[in-house]
Formats: sequence, C-alpha cells, structure tokens
Amino acid sequence: AQSVSQHNHHVILSEAASLELGCNYSYGGTVNLFWYVQYPGQHLQLLLKYFSGDPLVKGIKGFEAEFIKSKFSFNLRKPSVQWSDTAEYFCAVKAAGNKLTFGGGTRVLVKP
Amino acid sequence: DGGITQSPKYLFRKEGQNVTLSCEQNLNHDAMYWYRQDPGQGLRLIYYSQIVNDFQKGDIAEGYSVSREKKESFPLTVTSAQKNPTAFYLCASSPRAPQETQYFGPGTRLLVL
Repeated sequence: AQSVSQHNHHVILSEAASLELGCNYSYGGTVNLFWYVQYPGQHLQLLLKYFSGDPLVKGIKGFEAEFIKSKFSFNLRKPSVQWSDTAEYFCAVKAAGNKLTFGGGTRVLVKP
Repeated sequence: DGGITQSPKYLFRKEGQNVTLSCEQNLNHDAMYWYRQDPGQGLRLIYYSQIVNDFQKGDIAEGYSVSREKKESFPLTVTSAQKNPTAFYLCASSPRAPQETQYFGPGTRLLVL
C-alpha cells in the first residue's frame, strides 16, 4: 500500500534559520506531490504542488520543494523562516488512480 | 466567495448518538472527500465521492456513512458504531483530473462525551 513518511514530528527553530522538512513515499510509479500547511486556528491550505516538469517547485510564502525521483523524496525548504511560519506541515502523495495519502505531519515552532 | 463550508465548528454529543456533519462547496467541484485528523497521524480518508449519487469507502470507513444527493453537498454521519469518534473532521473537494488538487474546509471538531 502507498505510504508517506515525514520523519520529523516536531521542529523548533529561531527566526531567520533555514528550514527543511523531509518527506518520503513508497509508490514507484508516476505521482503527484503536495505540501499543505495548517496555521494555528486556520484550515488546511495548499503550499505547493508538483505534477510534472521542473522538479524544483516554488510555492507561496517563500517555500520551495524538490522532487528527487530516485530517492522517492519531496522535501520542503525555506531559507529564512519567520515567526508566522509556525504551523503544522503535511506532505501528501497521489498515485495514478489512487487516493491522496498524507504523511503524519510536522509541527514547526519558530521562536521570535 | 467561493469555498467550502463546514458546520458547526464545534459539536458535542453523548455517547451512543448519531451525529451528522455538514459540508457544502460552491466551487463546482465534482469530487468531495471526508478526512479525520488525529494528532501525529495526519489525515486519514473516511469516504470520498467522485460524482453525485456515488461514493466509495476510504481507509477508515467503519462507523461512518455518507450521502451525495447534490453536487454541492456531502454530509457525513458519525454513527454509534464508531468506537472513537472524538476527532477533527475535514471536508475537501477537488475538480476532475488532471488538476486534482484538493481544497479543504475549516473543519468540525467533534467531542463525544
């Protein structure tokens, strides 16, 4: 069965630090990849997505993610975080004909 | 404004009672989904519907039921058979393939006492 792993459950960092969140999936075929973010008290929002083309994807609020097919990974990065980036981040993967599968989420706390 | 609405935001029920959560979308999306969110487990799919009058079980459908009589609406009933119903429930919708990005509602937090 398709599975998605987010290895870090909690991340704490200071403002201006760089952020990288790992995401690995198990499916070997063509996939669509997503990162969603859930800010405190807000609903889940799409941060960025990859369907095809350039494996380096840029999203909203300065986030980017890189799809590395050989490593089955889609890691999320931001060079310099702000306090407002405090949120829970979810990686999700959809294989052709399959349902969207979510990782367990990573809670990020940015200290001012 | 286009979007997905879920009501109510908080819901309290006694054990053994059925409860129905509302989800409405005005995005003209064909597909709709119900997820359950528990801490550390991400989102797990309960039911989904690709078209009106049709729906399929997701990964954790036991103790839940749905209907899809209208394109805009996809209510979820949490029945007394659901052993651990206290959770945060999220509804989502998406257009047809290939642009199948799912958009989420604000969620309903259900507390069963």
